[in-house]
Amino acid sequence: QLQLQESGPGLVKPSQTLSLTCTVSGGSISRGNYYWGWIRQPPGTGLEWIGSIFYTGSTYYNPSLKSRVTVSVDTSKDQFSLKVTSMTAADTALYYCARHGGDYGDFFDSWGQGTLVSVSS
Amino acid sequence: EIVMTQSPATLSVSPGERVTLSCRASQSIRGRLAWYQQIPGQPPRLLIYGASTRATGIPARFSGSGSGTEFTLTISSLQSEDFAVYYCHQYSNWYTFGQGTKLEIK
Repeated sequence: QLQLQESGPGLVKPSQTLSLTCTVSGGSISRGNYYWGWIRQPPGTGLEWIGSIFYTGSTYYNPSLKSRVTVSVDTSKDQFSLKVTSMTAADTALYYCARHGGDYGDFFDSWGQGTLVSVSS
Repeated sequence: EIVMTQSPATLSVSPGERVTLSCRASQSIRGRLAWYQQIPGQPPRLLIYGASTRATGIPARFSGSGSGTEFTLTISSLQSEDFAVYYCHQYSNWYTFGQGTKLEIK
């Protein structure tokens, strides 16, 4: 059974860069026609897609965040990562990694448990 | 950006009742719509994709319908474990989500 697990710091100072990693187990990040993405959820509110990557390294990002976001992949470790620069309080959120794509449509079908990131000095 | 609008924001219902949740897209997304259930402290769980196809393991009491810009999720007989927040999600043009409908016990 596919599992995704986010890891990274729970607290980031304003203006710093957030770095998160998602480790995929129970399946290979390089197998199938899947993309691997990041989604965040500010406390008590809805979901916002951040960006996604294919195992070849092809990326695409939410236009509203594109200038501050980088997603990368390490297929040897079945991991993909997120960097967000110039963090502010507005970036405080639960960050999820998830899989999407496949044969039936480009929806998110497997999610990590999420990791809470707070931005505070 | 395609804006997804869900209604109502909160719905108070009793176990055993039938409930219908609505989701409207700001432009046509054809049938590229998914529904998720989120229980507090857990990630979203895929219920429906392609507007009407149940995901693996999802009970038959959950059904989805709609196309274009108007979609609905129906739960035929609410169970205690169904009280949660439900999100619709379009994957026709990038990826956006509705703000959610919270089902609470009456």
